[in-house]
Amino acid sequence: QVQLVQSGSELKKPGASVKVSCKASGYTFTSYAMNWVRQAPGQGLEWMGWINTNTGNPTYAQGFTGRFVFSLDTSVSTAYLQISSLKAEDTAVYYCAREGPLGQWLVPWGQGTLVTVSS
Amino acid sequence: DIQMTQSPSSLSASVGDRVTITCQASQDISNYLNWYQQKPGKAPKLLIYDASNLETGVPSRFSGSGSGTDFTFTISSLQPEDIATYYCQQYDNLLGITFGPGTKVDIK
Repeated sequence: QVQLVQSGSELKKPGASVKVSCKASGYTFTSYAMNWVRQAPGQGLEWMGWINTNTGNPTYAQGFTGRFVFSLDTSVSTAYLQISSLKAEDTAVYYCAREGPLGQWLVPWGQGTLVTVSS
Repeated sequence: DIQMTQSPSSLSASVGDRVTITCQASQDISNYLNWYQQKPGKAPKLLIYDASNLETGVPSRFSGSGSGTDFTFTISSLQPEDIATYYCQQYDNLLGITFGPGTKVDIK
């Protein structure tokens, strides 16, 4: 079945970097775009952007330029989110979510990766 | 930017009640409106896509309607397992994806 499995929770100090992975299985990885969504503690869902898994071209939503980088390793069907110069306000659960088969809805979702930034 | 509003922000209803959530877009989004359910500590799950289409495997008590700027999500008979936060989500070719602020549904 179509599945996205994300890497485990991370605890980082301010100023450090983190790289979250999202491994896809059950479908042709390069046929569907991958999206990233952030959810701060107790807050709603915030779309971060998406990456074209065929070309590797990323598109970042407003507020997610500069320190956020989407990348791919198509040889292992994995998408990555890297965040540099971490701040306390980056503490959140980060989800990867695949584009739906017929349009811009998100299905399935990874299980989420909690990134905690604390000194 | 396309802004999404949802109402109410939270509601409490009894098992078996009909529950309705509304979602409004700041501009015409045709039928590019999707609904998700998120249970505590879990990833969101797609329930309805393109305003009114039920995702495979989702119980038929869930439904959606609307087009343009005004959309409705309905649970015809609330069940205990429906306790969750529900989000609407729009898609625009140029501006990307925006989520509504969510509606928390509880059992009275």
